[in-house]
Amino acid sequence: EVQLLESGGGLVQPGGSLRLSCAASGFTFSRYSLSWVRQAPGKGLEWVSGISGRRDNTYYSDSVRGRFTISSDNSKNTLYLQMNSLRAEDTAVYYCAKEGGYSYWDWGQGTLVTVSS
Amino acid sequence: QSVLTQPPSVSAAPGQKVTISCSGSSSNIGNNFVSWYQHLPGTAPKLLIYENNKRPSGIPDRFSGSKSGTSATLGITGLQTGDEADYYCGTWDSSLSAGVFGGGTKLTVL
Repeated sequence: EVQLLESGGGLVQPGGSLRLSCAASGFTFSRYSLSWVRQAPGKGLEWVSGISGRRDNTYYSDSVRGRFTISSDNSKNTLYLQMNSLRAEDTAVYYCAKEGGYSYWDWGQGTLVTVSS
Repeated sequence: QSVLTQPPSVSAAPGQKVTISCSGSSSNIGNNFVSWYQHLPGTAPKLLIYENNKRPSGIPDRFSGSKSGTSATLGITGLQTGDEADYYCGTWDSSLSAGVFGGGTKLTVL
């Protein structure tokens, strides 16, 4: 059974940093593309960032490019999202998702990030 | 503003059928597969349809998907109160090199 468990969310001041983690199990981690998707309060799903299965390509939405960095540690089966220069509009529940053919087949339960002074 | 356009809400009575539209462009829906997701508040989104019209194992055939040109449609028949949720279309945008979702459609089963 595929399991994705996000952690690292919390309250951070504007301009601050946070690193999210997503611990994966139940599948061959190094073979799948993975993404981060967020949902701000009262808003819809927003794709944030993705990393290819070979871990040689990374992708970002315009709203986070230059501030967020996606990475992974295949030895730990863990996906990361380093978030710098955080803004109030980054407040959201962040989900990690396992991809297959540009579809998100499995999702974690999410971790809440709140950017506020 | 979402790259993909969905109606904010749809509603129908139990047992009836509803369709949810998703409109995009040649850089996303027009040249890539479309997926559909069901999202209940406080839970993880669930994949309902992949590659435009295929259902993952365990998804009932009450749910169907189709695509024509730069638009896609999710159909749900035999509506149940448990189908009340937010529904999102999603795909890849080749021009943006980014994933994109619709703004979401809230389904109410009256």
